[in-house]
Amino acid sequence: GNSVTQMEGPVTLSEEAFLTINCTYTATGYPSLFWYVQYPGEGLQLLLKATKADDKGSNKGFEATYRKETTSFHLEKGSVQVSDSAVYFCALSVRNSGNTPLVFGKGTRLSVIA
Amino acid sequence: DSGVTQTPKHLITATGQRVTLRCSPRSGDLSVYWYQQSLDQGLQFLIQYYNGEERAKGNILERFSAQQFPDLHSELNLSSLELGDSALYFCASTLGVSSDTQYFGPGTRLTVL
Repeated sequence: GNSVTQMEGPVTLSEEAFLTINCTYTATGYPSLFWYVQYPGEGLQLLLKATKADDKGSNKGFEATYRKETTSFHLEKGSVQVSDSAVYFCALSVRNSGNTPLVFGKGTRLSVIA
Repeated sequence: DSGVTQTPKHLITATGQRVTLRCSPRSGDLSVYWYQQSLDQGLQFLIQYYNGEERAKGNILERFSAQQFPDLHSELNLSSLELGDSALYFCASTLGVSSDTQYFGPGTRLTVL
């Protein structure tokens, strides 16, 4: 089946530190990969996505590269800010007869302290 | 703002009761997905509708049902509620049946007492 495994949190970093959140996946087809972010008390927002191998998704200083050989899609940011404190979800979808529900990892809570 | 709206924002009810959650997709989107977010199960896909028809089912209990109306809004009905049904329920929409980017609403927080 399809599944996503991401590093467990919580992750606590100081402002301007480097961030990596690991994500690996298992898929029965060729998935599209996503990172969603959930700020406190809010819904899910799409942060970035990649749809084929070696694609790099990027947004707001965050990046992730679709690595088919290692089935990974790690999220990175060079310098985190307090406003980046949130829960980050890695997710995939696989086109199967036109149906593409998202499969999510368990989420990683990030706290950035000033 | 994703353009997806959900009502109500919060819902508190008792065990055994029935509730209806409402979702309006982004303008022009034909496909609606429902997800449940709970502390123990994480984010789980429940059901998908496309242009009024059910297209995929996930881990949806028999006590739960959904439909999508001609104006494309969707409702998720939860009946015989149990304490364990307390969760955040999200709706997401996409343009087509196989579009890969889903846009999420703000969610409805259901508390069953």
